[in-house]
Formats: sequence, structure tokens, C-alpha cells
Amino acid sequence: QVQLVGSGGGVVLPGRSLRLSCAASGFTFSSYGMHWVRQAPGKGLEWVAVMWYDGSHESYADSVKGRFTISRDNSKNTLYLQMNSLRAEDTANYYCARDYTSSWFGPLDYWGQGTLVTVSS
Amino acid sequence: EIVLTQSPGTLSLSPGERATLSCRASQSVSSSYLAWYQQKPGQAPRLLIYGTSSRATGIPDRFSGSGSGTDFTLTISRLEPEDFAVYYCQQYDSYPWTFGQGTKVEIK
Repeated sequence: QVQLVGSGGGVVLPGRSLRLSCAASGFTFSSYGMHWVRQAPGKGLEWVAVMWYDGSHESYADSVKGRFTISRDNSKNTLYLQMNSLRAEDTANYYCARDYTSSWFGPLDYWGQGTLVTVSS
Repeated sequence: EIVLTQSPGTLSLSPGERATLSCRASQSVSSSYLAWYQQKPGQAPRLLIYGTSSRATGIPDRFSGSGSGTDFTLTISRLEPEDFAVYYCQQYDSYPWTFGQGTKVEIK
């Protein structure tokens, strides 16, 4: 069965960096686009970033552009989110999610359990 | 950016009743690129409906989606106890991908 397991969250000081990971199993990871979506405590869902199946295309929300970098290692079936210059407003549960397609033209059909990032001094 | 506005914010209903949730877009969305998700407390969202009206794998047929242009609807024909949750619409027609603010379906 499809599994997405996120890790790497924690408490971090403003201005510092953190890297999230999402380990995929149960499907051919290298055939699917992958997204990061976040949810601030008690709030709704906010799309963060997406990467095509082969890493050839990526896109970011304006709120994280220039600070966050999405990447993937298809040999390790793992998706990453490098988060730099973190701000208090980046505090959220970060979900990795699979795109229904190989790129970014589909809905998000499987989601990880989320990993919590808290930015606080 | 396409803004999705969901209404009502909260829907108070009893098991067995019909639920009708609305999602209105600030500009036209291709019906191929509108989805609905269900989220229960402490859980990740789950895909229910994609392409406006196609049910995702394993989703019971009491869930249905409809609409076009700027107005979309999720209908739950008869609420089961496990359906009480928050529901989000999402458009993946254009950058940036956006979600509605959610509709909470609560037990009356």
C-alpha cells in the first residue's frame, strides 16, 4: 500500500534552517509528481511546493519562494524540503502528498501523516 | 491567484441527513481541476472527489460532486457518523494551487 512518512520537524529559532524528508513506499516514486502542503495550527491548508517526477520542474508559493527548496532523490524514494530563513509564520504541520500525475496536473491522492515545524524563540 | 470561498463555515446536521457544501471560485476553474478533501482531527486530508465529480478510490457513493465555472458543490446524500469532519475544496487548474478555507460538518 502507498505510504508517505514524513520526518525532520521540530522546534527551531527564527532565521534558522530545517530540512524535512518524506520517505515513500508502495508505489513507483519516480513516476509521480510530489507536493508539500502545510497547515498552521487550527487553520486551513496551504500549498507550498511541487516537483515533477524527474525533478525537471518545480514551483513554489510566493510565501516561501527564495527561502524553501524542494528536491527529490528517486534512488532513495525520498522527497525533501529545505527550509531556510524560517519565520514564525512558517509554524505548521507539513504534509508531503503525491500528485495523481507525473507532473503537477492532478489532485493529491495520497498524503503523509505530517511533520510539525515550530519556529519560536 | 484563484481564491476559493467555501460556505457555510459550519454545517450542523444529524446522521442520515443530506449535506450540501459550496465552493465558489474568484475566477473560472476548469471542471477537470477541482477536488474535494476530507480531514478528521489529527489526521491528514483524504482525497474524496477529483475532476469535479469523480470519486477517488474507495470513496462511497454517498459522496458526489458537481458544478462548473465558478460554482462547485459537494453533496453527502446521507450522513454517516464517520462523515463528520472538515471538508476542503482545491483547484489545480492554475498556479498557485489553492484551497478553500474549509467547511466543518458537525453533529447537531
